[in-house]
Amino acid sequence: DIVLTQSPALAVSLGQRATLSCRASQSVSISTYNLMHWYQQKPGQQPKLLIYRASNLASGIPARFSGSGSGTDFTLTINPVQADDIATYYCQQSRESPHTFGAGTNLELK
Amino acid sequence: EVQLQESGPGLVKPSQSLSLTCSVTGYSITSNYWGWIRKFPGNKMEWMGYINYSGGTIYNPSLKSRISISRDTSKNQFFLQLNSVTTEDTATYYCARYGGNFWYFDFWGPGTMVTVSS
Repeated sequence: DIVLTQSPALAVSLGQRATLSCRASQSVSISTYNLMHWYQQKPGQQPKLLIYRASNLASGIPARFSGSGSGTDFTLTINPVQADDIATYYCQQSRESPHTFGAGTNLELK
Repeated sequence: EVQLQESGPGLVKPSQSLSLTCSVTGYSITSNYWGWIRKFPGNKMEWMGYINYSGGTIYNPSLKSRISISRDTSKNQFFLQLNSVTTEDTATYYCARYGGNFWYFDFWGPGTMVTVSS
């Protein structure tokens, strides 16, 4: 299985930039397609798709969210962080089955 | 809009089978792929498997001997069955739709908590 490694937690101040990382144990890219996706989950709610294929903003997601990366290293950036962004963020790969998730990064207020 | 809703027992005894239903509205399950995901206490998310538009299935090898995903197209529902459950199967179970051609989940159900306990 492809293992995705995320930092457990990240503390940020409101209005600042948050950079969340996800590292894969092997490449999750095929040709020009980077098969890494990001989700946001708040307590008591289902996950919400933020970014698909590494850098594409999902429908209805604010432009302060962005994604980048290729191969094994990927980044989700939130700039500027707002209070509503406090949540857990998961990366997921779909390069090969099983489509594994990272352990999640808890975004916290500093 | 696409909506998914999980349903099923909230409590299952060890060694028994866990059976959940995902009811889909606003979109036909004879299109796209449809998956099950679970989240354990403590945040870990596990991809369990999917059923595709023609009824074909793929399962997580870690569950392969215990899991079955099926569907009823007349009711626009798909199902999860997990056999021989243990307390380690206690989790919140989500159903979701794969969007696009690149295997990301674009619509999710609200989830249903299942506790395995005697």
